[in-house]
Amino acid sequence: SYVLTQPPSVSVAPGKTARITCGGNNIGSKSVHWYQQKPGQAPVLVIYDDSDRPSGIPERLSGSNSGNTATLTISRVEAGDEADYYCQVWDSSSDHYVFGTGTKVTVL
Amino acid sequence: EVQLLESGGGLVQPGGSLRLSCAASGFTFSSYAMSWVRQAPGKGLEWVSGISGSGGSTYYADSVKGRFTISRDNSKNTLYLQMSSLRAEDTAVYYCAKPVGVVHAFDIWGQGTMVTVSS
Repeated sequence: SYVLTQPPSVSVAPGKTARITCGGNNIGSKSVHWYQQKPGQAPVLVIYDDSDRPSGIPERLSGSNSGNTATLTISRVEAGDEADYYCQVWDSSSDHYVFGTGTKVTVL
Repeated sequence: EVQLLESGGGLVQPGGSLRLSCAASGFTFSSYAMSWVRQAPGKGLEWVSGISGSGGSTYYADSVKGRFTISRDNSKNTLYLQMSSLRAEDTAVYYCAKPVGVVHAFDIWGQGTMVTVSS
């Protein structure tokens, strides 16, 4: 089965840039989606199709995908960005959705 | 407003059964495939099962295949998950989720319903 690997945690100072990676075999050939989840809340889609933002998601959040790594970038980090972030793809070979292991972003 | 509302969670003994429901509103329910996603306490997201808009095709994670059954009633705008032979490792918050049209990403999630499997 397809596996997506994320770093368990990322720490960043306010105003700086956080980069969260999502590794998978030839992930660049797939569409990657990203979710933000705050404690006690349902996940929120923040990036779909590698780099598109749903309405209401700030431009500070951006995505890229190439080779074996997809990346979610949060620019000018704010306290409100502190959350867990998950990448996700559709594995067409198994007709399964696959989520990454998740990354906890801490704002210092 | 597009909304999903899960119900049916609770405490069940190992080996028991439970049926979850997800009531949808604010969109043409039958036009969308739907999924169940779960999250064990303190753990990450795990896709559990999906169903096509017509209900004719169903998909399951290996961890629940043969034990869980997904279904839908488009006349009632409701998604179901019948869970049987429940195990302690099935303890989780269960979310229903709607995809972004033909994009395999979930733009609408319910608030979740907690399932606890314990004696």
